[in-house]
Amino acid sequence: NAGVTQTPKFQVLKTGQSMTLQCAQDMNHNSMYWYRQDPGMGLRLIYYSASEGTTDKGEVPNGYNVSRLNKREFSLRLESAAPSQTSVYFCASRPATPLETQYFGPGTRLLVL
Amino acid sequence: DQQVKQNSPSLSVQEGRISILNCDYTNSMFDYFLWYKKYPAEGPTFLISISSIKDKNEDGRFTVFLNKSAKHLSLHIVPSQPGDSAVYFCAASGSGGTSYGKLTFGQGTILTVHP
Repeated sequence: NAGVTQTPKFQVLKTGQSMTLQCAQDMNHNSMYWYRQDPGMGLRLIYYSASEGTTDKGEVPNGYNVSRLNKREFSLRLESAAPSQTSVYFCASRPATPLETQYFGPGTRLLVL
Repeated sequence: DQQVKQNSPSLSVQEGRISILNCDYTNSMFDYFLWYKKYPAEGPTFLISISSIKDKNEDGRFTVFLNKSAKHLSLHIVPSQPGDSAVYFCAASGSGGTSYGKLTFGQGTILTVHP
């Protein structure tokens, strides 16, 4: 079991460029999440998907879109990157029980110039 | 509006001593609390959790205490080991199916355990 995998590990973008962060899990979990981590801010929820075919906004969704491609994959897209989106992005998935425990990927470090 | 707060950015302790990490929350709807541990260049990993119906949960060297009236929880690590050096995040979740497991995280506390 690879758990939760994320690609790429690191990316540099110029302002206005677009990119998609990929996330996949092999644990057959229904729920998946995207977070960003900024210094002094902890992890903040961007979007989540309670189950295949559904997505919903979290705390900081502006500037992002998501796609739950299938049960395994949940991608995060930046259509027009801005320097404020420089961050570390984490994907997570959650089993049916225990309800609140999430399993995180290793993260994608994104720098927007 | 920071609903989960970890007011100590860092903590330094000697190996073998107790580490106490603190967390405060403001949302009375939170009813499940978790601690995550994070090493550099890795994702957070689940450490221990507690439901609001309890005031203590223990797992080996790790114990979490919950004081609902004060809206405060703490993580005790006894004895502390150098391998415990990491960033510790407190997280909280609201009740019921509508929460979909969404977590609200604190800012994190960097724990350094000196040999």
